[in-house]
Amino acid sequence: GESVGLHLPTLSVQEGDNSIINCAYSNSASDYFIWYKQESGKGPQFIIDIRSNMDKRQGQRVTVLLNKTVKHLSLQIAATQPGDSAVYFCAESGQGAQKLVFGQGTRLTINP
Amino acid sequence: EAQVTQNPRYLITVTGKKLTVTCSQNMNHEYMSWYRQDPGLGLRQIYYSMNVEVTDKGDVPEGYKVSRKEKRNFPLILESPSPNQTSLYFCASGVRSSREQYFGPGTRLTVT
Repeated sequence: GESVGLHLPTLSVQEGDNSIINCAYSNSASDYFIWYKQESGKGPQFIIDIRSNMDKRQGQRVTVLLNKTVKHLSLQIAATQPGDSAVYFCAESGQGAQKLVFGQGTRLTINP
Repeated sequence: EAQVTQNPRYLITVTGKKLTVTCSQNMNHEYMSWYRQDPGLGLRQIYYSMNVEVTDKGDVPEGYKVSRKEKRNFPLILESPSPNQTSLYFCASGVRSSREQYFGPGTRLTVT
């Protein structure tokens, strides 16, 4: 069946370094790929999305890369800050935005 | 303040005792959805609604009911809760055409 998963369950980086969070997907028919951030005790928060016809999209301090050849998605966070500590989820959706399939999440820890 | 609210935030109940978790949004969003979050399984969609009186099953609808009588409210009903429904529940809303969903703070349900 279709699945969205993550390469690593935990990631630790030094404050100020760049972080790269990876995600593998299996449904090549997905139309959008999305990243969400979940801080402790809170609901997920939208970060950025990318359509399947793109390979790169940039936001504020974040960049999402999509490699459809190997079905791989990554989220790059520049100059990581303590406030970036959270669990990051990748998700995918079809042409309709109503159905999101989430991956299991990666916990990002920032070391001072 | 634009937000999604859920009540109660914490609930401990016994097997078979009907309960309702309320969800309300003040952003005039057409789309609303319920997810459950379990360790190692990420977020899984239970039900979603594209508009008033329109609801559809997500990936794990068994044991749950929903209704959408008003645009702002989307209650989750457990007619006969069982221990395997112990979980963290999130309600979300969004503009129908967008992948950006706004999540509530979560409801932690324990069924004994």
